Amino acid sequence: EAAVTQSPRNKVAVTGGKVTLSCNQTNNHNNMYWYRQDTGHGLRLIHYSYGAGSTEKGDIPDGYKASRPSQENFSLILELATPSQTSVYFCASGATGHTGQLYFGEGSKLTVL
Amino acid sequence: AQSVTQPDARVTVSEGASLQLRCKYSYSATPYLFWYVQYPRQGLQLLLKYYSGDPVVQGVNSFEAEFSKSNSSFHLQKASVHWSDSAVYFCALSIGTNTGKLTFGDGTVLTVKP
Repeated sequence: EAAVTQSPRNKVAVTGGKVTLSCNQTNNHNNMYWYRQDTGHGLRLIHYSYGAGSTEKGDIPDGYKASRPSQENFSLILELATPSQTSVYFCASGATGHTGQLYFGEGSKLTVL
Repeated sequence: AQSVTQPDARVTVSEGASLQLRCKYSYSATPYLFWYVQYPRQGLQLLLKYYSGDPVVQGVNSFEAEFSKSNSSFHLQKASVHWSDSAVYFCALSIGTNTGKLTFGDGTVLTVKP
């Protein structure tokens, strides 16, 4: 059974609209991450969290907010979506002390028109 | 800043042939290195990792990788590929411990011909 689940899996939004991508993990990992993947490119880190109530900026945080209300849940929020944010977004979890060993969800494809 | 380069965007091999996917990194010290695989419509899965020690590391599904400090490389290899190995392969590095903050290469699309 999937240990990292994302919703929605597909989303079409309008420019200027608000988008929330949700992630739930049952791995009981402290660390969670949001990456985006653009066609033909690797993943880039947007935000991450080391535990409930904490969020940190990754390499490309502009235009995004994150929320970690609990150990299991980590959301990515686009307050004012733009077409440049059209991408596939991946959530991942990782255990403390396990450098680089991440468990990814299946991705959320976001299209901003 | 650190970076990862995968010079081959696409690789096609025949089933049963050997495989090498190339990865070069740029970082002033020795990073932690990883190979991930992405099957169609799925998230990434860890194939193998290198932290230190023996430069040849074994991974899942008979994949292995060799770290070379002198060449700043971490190439992925497999002796005999199967059609089910068709996927996108990503090389990644971490410069810190206890973190999932990874820098990824652009990926190599592997197609295995029957």
